[in-house]
Amino acid sequence: GENVEQHPSTLSVQEGDSAVIKCTYSDSASNYFPWYKQELGKRPQLIIDIRSNVGEKKDQRIAVTLNKTAKHFSLHITETQPEDSAVYFCAASIDSRLAFGKGNQVVVIP
Amino acid sequence: NAGVTQTPKFQVLKTGQSMTLQCAQDMNHNSMYWYRQDPGMGLRLIYYSASEGTTDKGEVPNGYNVSRLNKREFSLRLESAAPSQTSVYFCASSEWQGRQPQHFGDGTRLSIL
Repeated sequence: GENVEQHPSTLSVQEGDSAVIKCTYSDSASNYFPWYKQELGKRPQLIIDIRSNVGEKKDQRIAVTLNKTAKHFSLHITETQPEDSAVYFCAASIDSRLAFGKGNQVVVIP
Repeated sequence: NAGVTQTPKFQVLKTGQSMTLQCAQDMNHNSMYWYRQDPGMGLRLIYYSASEGTTDKGEVPNGYNVSRLNKREFSLRLESAAPSQTSVYFCASSEWQGRQPQHFGDGTRLSIL
């Protein structure tokens, strides 16, 4: 089955700086790549997603890029704010079966 | 709109007891899901329902049963709880038919002693 790995496991950034989280996946047939944000003790929230026929997608301060050749995709957060502190999960989907990574803890330091 | 509503929010059970976790969504979504979340493990799919009357096993279905009562409601039952089922359980829904959740409930924190 699909295997998704996230790096780094923890990322600390100064407020206002950019944060980048990278995920790798194993199955080249995967065609859908969502990102979820989960604040401490809260529900996961779908924040952005990308399909395999697109290389990049932006939504305000967040963007996702996909490199199908290298089988990795990344979440970019610009101008980070304290409310961006959370665990971020990436996932990859093949034949509608979604495999989650184990999450990245992002800490924004005021 | 309430979105996805789960009950209860917290529960403590003894080994061998049974219980049902309830989930309802008011977004007229077709697909509903049950996930469990354990520390360091991410989210793992227990069961999935593409539409009313249909259910499919996910990654970790053993020890669980589900029921898609109608389009709004999707319940998860533990027939004989085991300590290994101590976890946070999330229900989710999506408007499309696929294993790609859009909206999650607040979760049920379940401890089994």
